Amino acid sequence: AQSVTQLGSHVSVSEGALVLLRCNYSSSVPPYLFWYVQYPNQGLQLLLKYTTGATLVKGINGFEAEFKKSETSFHLTKPSAHMSDAAEYFCAVSSQGGSEKLVFGKGTKLTVNP
Amino acid sequence: GAVVSQHPSWVICKSGTSVKIECRSLDFQATTMFWYRQFPKQSLMLMATSNEGSKATYEQGVEKDKFLINHASLTLSTLTVTSAHPEDSSFYICSAAGQGTMYTQYFGPGTRLTVL
Repeated sequence: AQSVTQLGSHVSVSEGALVLLRCNYSSSVPPYLFWYVQYPNQGLQLLLKYTTGATLVKGINGFEAEFKKSETSFHLTKPSAHMSDAAEYFCAVSSQGGSEKLVFGKGTKLTVNP
Repeated sequence: GAVVSQHPSWVICKSGTSVKIECRSLDFQATTMFWYRQFPKQSLMLMATSNEGSKATYEQGVEKDKFLINHASLTLSTLTVTSAHPEDSSFYICSAAGQGTMYTQYFGPGTRLTVL
């Protein structure tokens, strides 16, 4: 079975500050890992994904995440927060590239203060 | 690329009626589509997985006779909520994956269902 734990249901940062959203996973098979962002009353938008290969993954809007197998982590970072980054962020794991079901974390709401 | 649409974006219906929600992959063939339900301020709960031309696979606890899923083509899946009740009010989101998306799920914008 697979599971995802997102540490911190709410994270608040100042505009221009580093964004760090934490995600730890559990998987008995090599994981495929995803970060999605959800704006109010909208669907989910894919930020980035890790399948195989390079462990540092770059995504859209300046976000990146690093797969650390030894720590079973896939934390999301962005060097400088923008007001437009305020949203809900979901980490997810699957056993294959997404054609298998995704297991989501509970989400982290990011607030960006001016 | 990899755009998924849903229709309608919101719907209000009376208790006891049925509501159909459409999910379309606009620029790729979706061999697999997923239906999720999301309660306010919560994560997504997978309801069912459907492969084109096959019967949907429902998650434990999801009533298959209440939530009818049809995946008749590689670009269209429908979710019908039958005999809707107020407790069925929720945000329903579909996602789609296929060879054209490197089997990554792309999500629709969601449908807000309110049952009076």
